[in-house]
Amino acid sequence: NAGVTQTPKFRVLKTGQSMTLLCAQDMNHEYMYWYRQDPGMGLRLIHYSVGEGTTAKGEVPDGYNVSRLKKQNFLLGLESAAPSQTSVYFCASSYPNTGELFFGEGSRLTVL
Amino acid sequence: GENVEQHPSTLSVQEGDSAVIKCTYSDSASNYFPWYKQELGKRPQLIIDIRSNVGEKKDQRIAVTLNKTAKHFSLHITETQPEDSAVYFCAASHNNAGNMLTFGGGTRLMVKP
Repeated sequence: NAGVTQTPKFRVLKTGQSMTLLCAQDMNHEYMYWYRQDPGMGLRLIHYSVGEGTTAKGEVPDGYNVSRLKKQNFLLGLESAAPSQTSVYFCASSYPNTGELFFGEGSRLTVL
Repeated sequence: GENVEQHPSTLSVQEGDSAVIKCTYSDSASNYFPWYKQELGKRPQLIIDIRSNVGEKKDQRIAVTLNKTAKHFSLHITETQPEDSAVYFCAASHNNAGNMLTFGGGTRLMVKP
């Protein structure tokens, strides 16, 4: 099992460009999440999904969109990137009632 | 919403000493409190968690305590080893499922050999 896989691992964007981060999990988890990690601020939830076809806003959703068309995939989109979105992005997945989040390896995004 | 404060932000100990990291939370409805360890350049991984119906939980050299009245919980690592060096995050959520976890800001633990 690969677990949770994120692509790409690194990306540099110019302000105003768009991009999509892909998260794929092979553990048949119902729940999936996108977090961003910034120094001294821990992990902050951007959006999450409790099942195929559903999405919900987390703590810091502005400037991001998500889609969960297939159970195993959770996409995070930036329509018009801003320097404030420079961060490390982590995808995670979990079963509904166990609590443990399984994280991907992270995607480092730099917006110039 | 929930707010989780974590202290200290950095902690340096000698190998073999104990380390304690403390977190406070604001929402009395929170009932699930996990701790994640993130080694340099790696993904966060769950090391221990506690639910609100339990006051203490141990797993070998790691223990977590919860004081619901005071709304704080702590991670205790005994007999620290160099491989314990990492960033540790506490978190809290309303339900046992883990969705809508609110994380603390993290503690960088350095264990000196």
